Amino acid sequence: GQQLNQSPQSMFIQEGEDVSMNCTSSSIFNTWLWYKQDPGEGPVLLIALYKAGELTSNGRLTAQFGITRKDSFLNISASIPSDVGIYFCAGPQGAQKLVFGQGTRLTINP
Amino acid sequence: GAVVSQHPSRVICKSGTSVKIECRSLDFQATTMFWYRQFPKQSLMLMATSNEGSKATYEQGVEKDKFLINHASLTLSTLTVTSAHPEDSSFYICSAVAASSETQYFGPGTRLLVL
Repeated sequence: GQQLNQSPQSMFIQEGEDVSMNCTSSSIFNTWLWYKQDPGEGPVLLIALYKAGELTSNGRLTAQFGITRKDSFLNISASIPSDVGIYFCAGPQGAQKLVFGQGTRLTINP
Repeated sequence: GAVVSQHPSRVICKSGTSVKIECRSLDFQATTMFWYRQFPKQSLMLMATSNEGSKATYEQGVEKDKFLINHASLTLSTLTVTSAHPEDSSFYICSAVAASSETQYFGPGTRLLVL
């Protein structure tokens, strides 16, 4: 089946720094989703991308749908402590199913 | 809107017993619900797709007789882990898709510990 590769696997940054992570696939996706998972909780949808080249923002978060349809990027500007968590990219796999990347674990030093 | 709940939030059971986990869509009707399993420091792995009024569809490698899924109404799906063993200890997460949407809304998860 389709696989999504996320990088980096983990990040350790200082509060206030910008964050950038990406997700790549060997096959084309028509939709890219970015989720955040807090410890002990389910994932929460942050941004959904539906069109190649699309750039979408949600507050301090910005995500882009790669022009090749095989990658996507998520950027977080001016990180704050509550940004800590695991960020997953996801894409559709068959009827309504999703495949998830391995996740990027973000740790912020105050 | 689009709230999904799970019950219980955490459960500890003895090896060999069965555990039932409920997934409810609180403010919408979900024709489809999904069940995922997440081991520590790993991603979400889809276990099965639950459709209201029909049999669940299981992913390859997931034992349907061990993980019983019932989707009896448009707002409730249950996952029963039968004869649980320590290796079944994991974080189980459900998601629900509204009839008029393709967006999956996730529940808060249920942490299962089998002793």
